[in-house]
Amino acid sequence: NAGVTQTPKFQVLKTGQSMTLQCAQDMNHEYMSWYRQDPGMGLRLIHYSVGAGITDQGEVPNGYNVSRSTTEDFPLRLLSAAPSQTSVYFCASKRDRGSLNTEAFFGQGTRLTVV
Amino acid sequence: DAKTTQPPSMDCAEGRAANLPCNHSTISGNEYVYWYRQIHSQGPQYIIHGLKNNETNEMASLIITEDRKSSTLILPHATLRDTAVYYCIVRVAGGGADGLTFGKGTHLIIQP
Repeated sequence: NAGVTQTPKFQVLKTGQSMTLQCAQDMNHEYMSWYRQDPGMGLRLIHYSVGAGITDQGEVPNGYNVSRSTTEDFPLRLLSAAPSQTSVYFCASKRDRGSLNTEAFFGQGTRLTVV
Repeated sequence: DAKTTQPPSMDCAEGRAANLPCNHSTISGNEYVYWYRQIHSQGPQYIIHGLKNNETNEMASLIITEDRKSSTLILPHATLRDTAVYYCIVRVAGGGADGLTFGKGTHLIIQP
């Protein structure tokens, strides 16, 4: 199993550009989520999805869009990149939202720099 | 979700047991204690979780006090590869506003 795969690993954007961070999982997990991690800080939840066709906002959703057309994929779109979005982005999945004791699996991260 | 308090950093000698404390004095009866770690530049990795009983798996042991207000993660024989930031997270399993709330964690440094 590949687990959770994120692409690209590194990206540099100019202010105002848009791009999509890709996330795919091959574990048939219903629940997927996106986090950002800034230097010296913990992870903060951006958006999450409890299943195909269902998404919701997390703690820091502004400037980001998501969609979930398939169980496997959960892309994160930056509409108009800003320097404040320079961060490391992690995608995570777990079996489902409602079960007890489910662990989350994380991708290896996308390091994004906006200049 | 209940707030957790962890020391910002700890050292441990290679081969010794690493004991990482976590205070969660406001934990509710239906909240679990989860531990994750993040090795430099990698995604977080699940370690262990528990509700009120002590738990053990191939990676670590989790000791939860009887009043559930604190817990200790034990890595029985620490190696250099265990150097990482360790996060203690308390939350209701499967409910509420979702996601895992990661604080700043404890930076565990294993010394050779």
